[in-house]
Amino acid sequence: AAGVIQSPRHLIKEKRETATLKCYPIPRHDTVYWYQQGPGQDPQFLISFYEKMQSDKGSIPDRFSAQQFSDYHSELNMSSLELGDSALYFCASSSQTGILDSPLHFGNGTRLTVT
Amino acid sequence: AQKITQTQPGMFVQEKEAVTLDCTYDTSDQSYGLFWYKQPSSGEMIFLIYQGSYDEQNATEGRYSLNFQKARKSANLVISASQLGDSAMYFCAMREGWGSQGNLIFGKGTKLSVKP
Repeated sequence: AAGVIQSPRHLIKEKRETATLKCYPIPRHDTVYWYQQGPGQDPQFLISFYEKMQSDKGSIPDRFSAQQFSDYHSELNMSSLELGDSALYFCASSSQTGILDSPLHFGNGTRLTVT
Repeated sequence: AQKITQTQPGMFVQEKEAVTLDCTYDTSDQSYGLFWYKQPSSGEMIFLIYQGSYDEQNATEGRYSLNFQKARKSANLVISASQLGDSAMYFCAMREGWGSQGNLIFGKGTKLSVKP
């Protein structure tokens, strides 16, 4: 079965640079989520999109922005990178947002290292 | 306040034995869903099992079962017949009500180590 695809798998950037992470959700899933997981931490919700519109916003810094495109893929743009942005970034997708029993299916994540 | 509490930062279990990972939650919603995810050292997040707040029966998926005690607000994961491949981080997560837009709130996780 098709899974959530994230690219790149690993990314190394320097402070103050920008980074773009891409996510391709499972076909026919209508909701995309972005999570940030710091070393030894639980995943923290950043932002979500339902049918290409932003649906919810979590602890996403103002330096970050995201969008979902007409083909349903999503991109997380991160500017003025800081050392503290080093983390594993997950994209997840689900179908039927608001339906309690619809699990989030996660991609393998992008490991971002800021030096 | 923590919405999801996992009180066991780390646990050890002998191969082939059963193990229970604790999870308590805090919500005032009547409708909510509880999920368990497994995160191996390779990093991916794998969905294991789901329990709805209105479900009468405890959820089961193969060797995984969820011991749901609604009055105590607990949703413990039971893994039967542990295998070496079960060594991983396990996260309990909750989705609240219909207005949550679907995102999950995670606990801090429990690191399970299975000993041969």
